[in-house]
Amino acid sequence: QKEVEQNSGPLSVPEGAIASLNCTYSDRGSQSFFWYRQYSGKSPELIMSIYSNGDKEDGRFTAQLNKASQYVSLLIRDSQPSDSATYLCAVTRQGAQKLVFGQGTRLTINP
Amino acid sequence: EAGVAQSPRYKIIEKRQSVAFWCNPISGHATLYWYQQILGQGPKLLIQFQNNGVVDDSQLPKDRFSAERLKGVDSTLKIQPAKLEDSAVYLCASSRDQDTQYFGPGTRLTVL
Repeated sequence: QKEVEQNSGPLSVPEGAIASLNCTYSDRGSQSFFWYRQYSGKSPELIMSIYSNGDKEDGRFTAQLNKASQYVSLLIRDSQPSDSATYLCAVTRQGAQKLVFGQGTRLTINP
Repeated sequence: EAGVAQSPRYKIIEKRQSVAFWCNPISGHATLYWYQQILGQGPKLLIQFQNNGVVDDSQLPKDRFSAERLKGVDSTLKIQPAKLEDSAVYLCASSRDQDTQYFGPGTRLTVL
């Protein structure tokens, strides 16, 4: 079982709709959770971090964390073509800074 | 604030050759990371430095990979000898605090 699992996609969403990206993790000791966006040929860029159960909103992005279910998700509202990218979920264990990444979900927003 | 710098951006070598990558972190960032990202996968941590000491190198193939950060600032990652499966993007990241890591542009390595 992989430590961090994501559906590799591709996930195709019409412009203006809500894109929903999901991630599960296996280590119950995981403490911090991150979503990175990676455009083709570019390096990962942090867009959201979440540390406690519940929702965290930042503009059009909402991260959701459920530690009991070992599940973290990212919602993108009013999707734009510029949101088309690969979204990487990453977690860290308690007391460690090491990021463990999932394989990423490729998202395409169709105009 | 200048970002993480890496060089070269691209490198093509033949198998069994050696290669070195350089990284200069964001000024004041004590922690430096090297990741390997194979096409279609997420980045995998190779080594983490805190200042000039190694914190985690558990996934570094030590028979062929080496890394150093002698003065606690910039860092070099070396592969000797390279194998075909080393073809990947090598990402350097740095952080000041416990959480936010900032990535450099990466070095794309092709081993023929």
